Amino acid sequence: KQEVTQIPAALSVPEGENLVLNCSFTDSAIYNLQWFRQDPGKGLTSLLLIQSSQREQTSGRLNASLDKSSGRSTLYIAASQPGDSATYLCAVSGEVRAGKSTFGDGTTLTVKP
Amino acid sequence: EAQVTQNPRYLITVTGKKLTVTCSQNMNHEYMSWYRQDPGLGLRQIYYSMNVEVTDKGDVPEGYKVSRKEKRNFPLILESPSPNQTSLYFCASSLGLAGVVNIQYFGAGTRLSVL
Repeated sequence: KQEVTQIPAALSVPEGENLVLNCSFTDSAIYNLQWFRQDPGKGLTSLLLIQSSQREQTSGRLNASLDKSSGRSTLYIAASQPGDSATYLCAVSGEVRAGKSTFGDGTTLTVKP
Repeated sequence: EAQVTQNPRYLITVTGKKLTVTCSQNMNHEYMSWYRQDPGLGLRQIYYSMNVEVTDKGDVPEGYKVSRKEKRNFPLILESPSPNQTSLYFCASSLGLAGVVNIQYFGAGTRLSVL
């Protein structure tokens, strides 16, 4: 059974810092990995999707990398801003049952002005 | 506007009273899925559907039913709700071409309390 772990569970940084969020998964047979953002009381918003054949994806100040063989992904946020404060979740979709998605518990990020 | 719409947003009910949470998407997506989110347990998949009349179990399907009679709708049915089904529920959809889940779009969530 696929298990997804995100470390750290919570992170607090001053504005302007670069930071890295980590996601690891136990079964490397994945089709893709997504990073999401969730604001309190709201739904999830997709940030980046990496196909299993890709190594990284970039969108603005966000960069996500994927090392499928080692079961790891990182989300790099450059020049953090208070508006980046949210919970960040990663999710993997399995190869065999591509509709099956497994989420990590998330990292709650606080960026202090 | 492309969106996934869930109704109701908030629901309080009593044990054993059947209820349905509706989910509708206007993006002509083939893939739809239901999740529940609980403190300390994260987001867990209940059921998903790769297309009309094609559904499969996620990690926590017990106590839930789904149906996919139309492409745009994927209702979640609780035949006999119990207090342990108190949770925040999310519906999601994805283009799902060739049976592959790509970017998932989420609804705003339904907060359910079963007394």
